[in-house]
Amino acid sequence: AQSVTQLDSQVPVFEEAPVELRCNYSSSVSVYLFWYVQYPNQGLQLLLKYLSGSTLVKGINGFEAEFNKSQTSFHLRKPSVHISDTAEYFCAVSESVGSNYKLTFGKGTLLTVNP
Amino acid sequence: GAGVSQSPSNKVTEKGKDVELRCDPISGHTALYWYRQRLGQGLEFLIYFQGNSAPDKSGLPSDRFSAERTGESVSTLTIQRTQQEDSAVYLCASSLDRGNTEAFFGQGTRLTVV
Repeated sequence: AQSVTQLDSQVPVFEEAPVELRCNYSSSVSVYLFWYVQYPNQGLQLLLKYLSGSTLVKGINGFEAEFNKSQTSFHLRKPSVHISDTAEYFCAVSESVGSNYKLTFGKGTLLTVNP
Repeated sequence: GAGVSQSPSNKVTEKGKDVELRCDPISGHTALYWYRQRLGQGLEFLIYFQGNSAPDKSGLPSDRFSAERTGESVSTLTIQRTQQEDSAVYLCASSLDRGNTEAFFGQGTRLTVV
């Protein structure tokens, strides 16, 4: 069974600083990986996804994530954050279950960008 | 429809009453998920439907919680004898059952038990 661990529940940073939000997963089979973002009082939306190919994927708003198979990680990064990046970020893993796929989310990381 | 639709958007109920939450997934999406998000908390998996397969109910917190889905259409989440700890936003998501596609979320139902 798969599980997703987001190591930090809260990450406070100052504006224009770099940030890394960590995500590790456990799975015995190949997986697809996603990051979702939830801005205050809004629904969840897809930030980026890794399916195959290049292990560095780029998403919206200047975010990127790197898939590391050996470390079973999919950390999210941004070189310089803005106040508007304040949001909850969720890592998710899609794994085959029989002939179907199941999507499992981490508990989320609250990113707070301070001026 | 264009997106995942949930109703009602807000529900206030008295402790002990039953409530029913509805989710209309995107047409053609075979997978449907229910999650619970308590204030300031992450996503708590409740139940997963995939086509005509038996649902994965492993996340339902108690036997007061149940959910149904007819085929690949509407799903309803029912909470019986509501308790104050059931207060949360209940999120529904749907996706094509190909693992490399994203899940689309509804705006959620905010349930308040008083």
